[in-house]
Amino acid sequence: DVKVTQSSRYLVKRTGEKVFLECVQDMDHENMFWYRQDPGLGLRLIYFSYDVKMKEKGDIPEGYSVSREKKERFSLILESASTNQTSMYLCASSSSGNQPQHFGDGTRLSIL
Amino acid sequence: KNEVEQSPQNLTAQEGEFITINCSYSVGISALHWLQQHPGGGIVSLFMLSSGKKKHGRLIATINIQEKHSSLHITASHPRDSAVYICAVTRGSNYKLTFGKGTLLTVNP
Repeated sequence: DVKVTQSSRYLVKRTGEKVFLECVQDMDHENMFWYRQDPGLGLRLIYFSYDVKMKEKGDIPEGYSVSREKKERFSLILESASTNQTSMYLCASSSSGNQPQHFGDGTRLSIL
Repeated sequence: KNEVEQSPQNLTAQEGEFITINCSYSVGISALHWLQQHPGGGIVSLFMLSSGKKKHGRLIATINIQEKHSSLHITASHPRDSAVYICAVTRGSNYKLTFGKGTLLTVNP
């Protein structure tokens, strides 16, 4: 079974902090994704990566950056956290091509 | 207008009922996905389909490419089916998902 592991289930940070969300997958998948999920808005793509050191902006990249130094790990970085970044963050991975995505359990992030 | 529309937004059923959730999309797609999310939990991929029909246990997914419409059916529903069901599409060789807003299903015993 594919395992996508997110480093924290719950996280509380303060406005202005630099926040790191980590995601690791164990199936050698090429593609990795970061989403946020908000009530009434559904899931929205922040960034994705189709290879090591490669990244592409999704629909809402503002205020975020990502890092993929190793194939199995994809990090989401909030450069200077703001209260409007309070949300559920979900990481996913998939093998190359049009394949189902496998999701982590999510990190519920609160910015105070 | 969203590219992916689901209906209904909320659905309450009694245990044993046959359930249908609908998904319409307005763009050309290469595949349509049905996902399930339990409260507080992660998301599980149920189906990926580009034509016809797929079945897994009590779940059936169908797609009509000409009408740009898909349905997810649950037969003999059970309280453990209570979850948010999400429709998503991928377009061409682009494997990014575009999501509907989800359908909250509650199955009462």
